[in-house]
Amino acid sequence: DQQVKQNSPSLSVQEGRISILNCDYTNSMFDYFLWYKKYPAEGPTFLISISSIKDKNEDGRFTVFLNKSAKHLSLHIVPSQPGDSAVYFCAAGGSGNTGKLIFGQGTTLQVKP
Amino acid sequence: EPEVTQTPSHQVTQMGQEVILRCVPISNHLYFYWYRQILGQKVEFLVSFYNNEISEKSEIFDDQFSVERPDGSNFTLKIRSTKLEDSAMYFCASSEVTNLYGYTFGSGTRLTVV
Repeated sequence: DQQVKQNSPSLSVQEGRISILNCDYTNSMFDYFLWYKKYPAEGPTFLISISSIKDKNEDGRFTVFLNKSAKHLSLHIVPSQPGDSAVYFCAAGGSGNTGKLIFGQGTTLQVKP
Repeated sequence: EPEVTQTPSHQVTQMGQEVILRCVPISNHLYFYWYRQILGQKVEFLVSFYNNEISEKSEIFDDQFSVERPDGSNFTLKIRSTKLEDSAMYFCASSEVTNLYGYTFGSGTRLTVV
């Protein structure tokens, strides 16, 4: 099931700079998209989400952009902080009405001091 | 902040044994889920549960798996006869509604089948 893809397994950025994490999807029926942050041995923690009818949602340092025509979304973190170092998953939902989320493979972000 | 609580945090079991993973979802949530993550792989959907019945299940969720809400607070995942390939982190999640808000995950149970 490759409906949601994160093609970059890892990303390294300098503290204070922008981190851009990317996600592509194939199913145009998804109603919403979410970004989760995950530390080792912990569950995914919700970061930010976006409805399929929007193209941008911002929450503090985190902004998610959605390009429906390209079936692409991205998470921008500005400025990046060392505490942001984690695995980031994008997830998509709403193609049915059961609450099922489909996750990408994850991108490991390392923010260097 | 309300939490989804999972127990145990780590379970080791012998192949062929039954295991029950336990979860206490957030109290006012109506939708409950199990996901798993095999080491190094992505988080995979197993099953969603609403109104005391399964609303959707994945191909992974075969006859060896079952879920139950035995009382008003617990939500369990049972694997009847574990296989080596069932070794994974199992995450319980809950949500108040099925939209872009409010999916909360537990910290997971690491299941090791030997």
